[in-house]
Amino acid sequence: QKEVEQDPGPLSVPEGAIVSLNCTYSNSAFQYFMWYRQYSRKGPELLMYTYSSGNKEDGRFTAQVDKSSKYISLFIRDSQPSDSATYLCAMSAGGATNKLIFGTGTLLAVQP
Amino acid sequence: DTAVSQTPKYLVTQMGNDKSIKCEQNLGHDTMYWYKQDSKKFLKIMFSYNNKELIINETVPNRFSPKSPDKAHLNLHINSLELGDSAVYFCASSQSFSDTQYFGPGTRLTVL
Repeated sequence: QKEVEQDPGPLSVPEGAIVSLNCTYSNSAFQYFMWYRQYSRKGPELLMYTYSSGNKEDGRFTAQVDKSSKYISLFIRDSQPSDSATYLCAMSAGGATNKLIFGTGTLLAVQP
Repeated sequence: DTAVSQTPKYLVTQMGNDKSIKCEQNLGHDTMYWYKQDSKKFLKIMFSYNNKELIINETVPNRFSPKSPDKAHLNLHINSLELGDSAVYFCASSQSFSDTQYFGPGTRLTVL
């Protein structure tokens, strides 16, 4: 079993839809949770960064962490064609090495 | 200004050759990383350096050798290239090993 599981998609939605992206994990030591967006042939760029459980909102993006269920989510409101990309969840236990463990990414296509 | 830059962007070479990929960051960060992203988009850490000192060395063949001449640079040298080394290699940096990581644009390596 992988430490971090993520549905690879692809996920296709119409413009304006609410998108829900999810990851589950098995390591209860994870404390730091991130969502990265990766456009085709580009490097991942950080979208959201959350410590421990709770919600964090930034514009159209909301990140949720439920440590009791080992489940994290990213919601995108009013999705736009420019949101079409691969979304990677990542997490770490922090500490001396801060090794990031990534999910396999979900490919999202927002249709105009 | 590009925060994390990598050269070359594309690298096509024959099996058995030796090649190097260079990474530079102008963010003043102390920690730098090398990641490998395979054809299924799975991103996995290879190495991490903090202030030129090796912090993370994942299970990577000895043919891969990172070198950090100074805090702003982390190069990756690969000996005796194999078909399975074909992937996209990403460099990243963070202020310290506990901070968020910022990725470069990637180097797409193809071994023929």
